[in-house]
Amino acid sequence: SQKIEQNSEALNIQEGKTATLTCNYTNYSPAYLQWYRQDPGRGPVFLLLIRENEKEKRKERLKVTFDTTLKQSLFHITASQPADSATYLCALGTGGFKTIFGAGTRLFVKA
Amino acid sequence: ETGVTQSPTHLIKTRGQQVTLRCSSQSGHNTVSWYQQALGQGPQFIFQYYREEENGRGNFPPRFSGLQFPNYSSELNVNALELDDSALYLCASSLSGTLISYEQYFGPGTRLTVT
Repeated sequence: SQKIEQNSEALNIQEGKTATLTCNYTNYSPAYLQWYRQDPGRGPVFLLLIRENEKEKRKERLKVTFDTTLKQSLFHITASQPADSATYLCALGTGGFKTIFGAGTRLFVKA
Repeated sequence: ETGVTQSPTHLIKTRGQQVTLRCSSQSGHNTVSWYQQALGQGPQFIFQYYREEENGRGNFPPRFSGLQFPNYSSELNVNALELDDSALYLCASSLSGTLISYEQYFGPGTRLTVT
């Protein structure tokens, strides 16, 4: 069956370090993959989209990689700040109408 | 802020009742998707509307229905509410057609509690 896995355990890191979050999927052939940030009680906020023919995408302190052979995406936040503390969701799209979300990983950045 | 608004913010209903949730899309967006998010889970796709027609549906029963209006605002209707329908309901607007964009802009959600 189709599955998206994100680390269910919270990630705790020290301010200034790089946070790396993982998204693995099985039985999908996504046309693109997205990362969203969600704060408690609020809707997700779009961060980055990477297409199947792209290996890496950057935006300010954010970097996403996409390995369709490993069926994995890595999401990096460099020079992390306490304000980066949130839940990060990965989402797969096949180019049609449907987007499938993972359960998310909570990130805590300590000052 | 994304420009996507939802109402109401919170709602408490009794099992068996019906509920209507509303969403206004971001300006310029013609597509609305609805998601259900249970606590600790990712959003689950319910359905999508494009040009006032249902464009696709996730694994939700027919008692979940929707509408999209000419101004691209949308409603989600749920009949015969069950306890498991308690969740955060999110709408997301995006752009489809010639200038398709897969980025979705979410509203703040409606927290529905069924007792």
